[in-house]
Amino acid sequence: SQQGEEDPQALSIQEGENATMNCSYKTSINNLQWYRQNSGRGLVHLILIRSNEREKHSGRLRVTLDTSKKSSSLLITASRAADTASYFCATERSSGSRLTFGEGTQLTVNP
Amino acid sequence: GAGVSQSPSNKVTEKGKDVELRCDPISGHTALYWYRQSLGQGLEFLIYFQGNSAPDKSGLPSDRFSAERTGGSVSTLTIQRTQQEDSAVYLCASSGGQRDGGYTFGSGTRLTVV
Repeated sequence: SQQGEEDPQALSIQEGENATMNCSYKTSINNLQWYRQNSGRGLVHLILIRSNEREKHSGRLRVTLDTSKKSSSLLITASRAADTASYFCATERSSGSRLTFGEGTQLTVNP
Repeated sequence: GAGVSQSPSNKVTEKGKDVELRCDPISGHTALYWYRQSLGQGLEFLIYFQGNSAPDKSGLPSDRFSAERTGGSVSTLTIQRTQQEDSAVYLCASSGGQRDGGYTFGSGTRLTVV
């Protein structure tokens, strides 16, 4: 079964708005990562947050991690049509172990 | 190479035939992973190679699936006697263990079993 579950499954917003996607997981983790996928092909790594970190920023991306609630959120600020994609969270349970991916959130940003 | 390369990008095969999917990871990356993704779904783990350690095969769905990694570099995923439910995009990724890094994925092989 999948470790991560994203919420919502689909999100549609207007260009310029912020998009927030959530991820919940079941077990303790070493780190949590977010990936983006266009057109059902290869995934692109966006950001990694470690279990001892609570918040991380990269450009228009902001990731939070709450290990007590076993949840994470990805915020994309000032969205653009080009941000339209599927976004996946993935957890690494221990250092060097393989990632377990969630089901993803389909984000549509309307021009 | 600069990225993870997978071939072929698309493969249509008849039910019952064997197929081989190839992955060239980033040079120097010690870890290599195979996942598959059915339409509109998340990624399903298949197999994981780390250096010279025995591979983690715990995700392979049946004994029709096998994979090898020669010389710590190129990997081949083989599916024998393909079935229609094997139709999916097969994704390969590699990682070098860098801090704050993640996996680098290839573009995948879309397998269609007819």
